[in-house]
Amino acid sequence: AQKVTQAQTEISVVEKEDVTLDCVYETRDTTYYLFWYKQPPSGELVFLIRRNSFDEQNEISGRYSWNFQKSTSSFNFTITASQVVDSAVYFCALSEDPIQGAQKLVFGQGTRLTINP
Amino acid sequence: NAGVTQTPKFQVLKTGQSMTLQCAQDMNHEYMSWYRQDPGMGLRLIHYSVGAGITDQGEVPNGYNVSRSTTEDFPLRLLSAAPSQTSVYFCASSLRHRRPGELFFGEGSRLTVL
Repeated sequence: AQKVTQAQTEISVVEKEDVTLDCVYETRDTTYYLFWYKQPPSGELVFLIRRNSFDEQNEISGRYSWNFQKSTSSFNFTITASQVVDSAVYFCALSEDPIQGAQKLVFGQGTRLTINP
Repeated sequence: NAGVTQTPKFQVLKTGQSMTLQCAQDMNHEYMSWYRQDPGMGLRLIHYSVGAGITDQGEVPNGYNVSRSTTEDFPLRLLSAAPSQTSVYFCASSLRHRRPGELFFGEGSRLTVL
C-alpha cells in the first residue's frame, strides 16, 4: 500500500528565514508520481509541482525548490526567504501510474506553515 | 473561468438525514473525484470518475454514492448521514492523461452531522 508521511505537523518561522518541509513516501510501484499542494487560508488546494519516479532532478521555481531522493524515499520542499504569503498548509502526495486516467492521489497529513512578520 | 464549483459551502445535518453535495466543472475535464479532509489525516479519496458513466470507489467509499451522467457534474450523495461523516469535502477534476495528478480543487464543503 502507498503511504505518505509528513512528520512536521506545524512549523513557525520568522519572515525571510528558509524553511524545509519534509515528505517521506512508501510504495512498491516502480512508476509513480509525487506532488506538493498548497492549501491557503481560503481553503482550496493549489497544485505546486509533480515529479515522476524516473526524474530525480531537483527543481527550482523562484523561491521554491524541491529535492527528490529515491534512495531515502523523500521529496522535500524548501522555501527560501519565506514571506507571510507563504503561510498555508502544505500537502505532499503520491500516486501510482494513472491507469486509464484514474489519478488516485494519497496525501500526507499536511504541514501547517506559519510565517511571522 | 469558474473552475470547480461546489455547493453548498456549509451544511448541518442530523443523523440519518440524506443530502447531496454538488460539484460542477467548466474545464471539460474527464477526471473528477471527491476527497474528504479530516484533522491529522490529510485528504482521503472517496470516489472518482474517469468519464461520464464511469465511477469507482476510492479509499473510503462507505456511506457515499456517486454518479456521473455528464462530463461537467459529479454529485456526492450521503444516504443516511452519520457523525463520522463530519468533515470538509473537496471535489477535484483534471485532464485524464495530459497532466497526471494536476488536480483542480473546489473551495470545499464543510459538513457537520449532529
